[in-house]
Amino acid sequence: AQSVAQPEDQVNVAEGNPLTVKCTYSVSGNPYLFWYVQYPNRGLQFLLKYITGDNLVKGSYGFEAEFNKSQTSFHLKKPSALVSDSALYFCAVRDMATNAGKSTFGDGTTLTVKP
Amino acid sequence: EAQVTQNPRYLITVTGKKLTVTCSQNMNHEYMSWYRQDPGLGLRQIYYSMNVEVTDKGDVPEGYKVSRKEKRNFPLILESPSPNQTSLYFCASSLKARIYEQYFGPGTRLTVT
Repeated sequence: AQSVAQPEDQVNVAEGNPLTVKCTYSVSGNPYLFWYVQYPNRGLQFLLKYITGDNLVKGSYGFEAEFNKSQTSFHLKKPSALVSDSALYFCAVRDMATNAGKSTFGDGTTLTVKP
Repeated sequence: EAQVTQNPRYLITVTGKKLTVTCSQNMNHEYMSWYRQDPGLGLRQIYYSMNVEVTDKGDVPEGYKVSRKEKRNFPLILESPSPNQTSLYFCASSLKARIYEQYFGPGTRLTVT
């Protein structure tokens, strides 16, 4: 079975400060890891992915994420937060070795960036 | 415009009255999926389809049916809705080769009384 944990329901940062949204995962095979963002009253938008290769992946809107196999983590980061980054963020995993079609999402983390 | 559309966007119904939520994509995507979003539970996958005539259960398939007769459409059917199916539903699609990059519809907010 695969699972994702987002340990923080809420993350608050000041504009201009770095932000981190945490995610840990569990899969039996090699993970494909993703981050999605949901703005109020909207569907989810794809931000970035890790499949293989460099542990630091870059995505949309200046976001990046670091894959750490030993800690089974895939934390989302941004060097300088914007008020417009305030949204709900979801981490997700697929186990491409056993079932590529099945997606497991975390419970979501609400990011609030204050001016 | 490339998009995933869902209808209706809002629906209030009563227990036991069959309903269908439609999902359609215009991107020629092989993969389609349904999720429900509930506070504190994140997104949970209901069903998915890797291609026409191929469907599989996600994590929470009980009480739902799907069909994939055409590539562009993936309707979600609730044969006998119950109040615990009150939720926000999202349809998503992607290319099979880029299954990691799903495009989500705008959501359908369903209330079952």
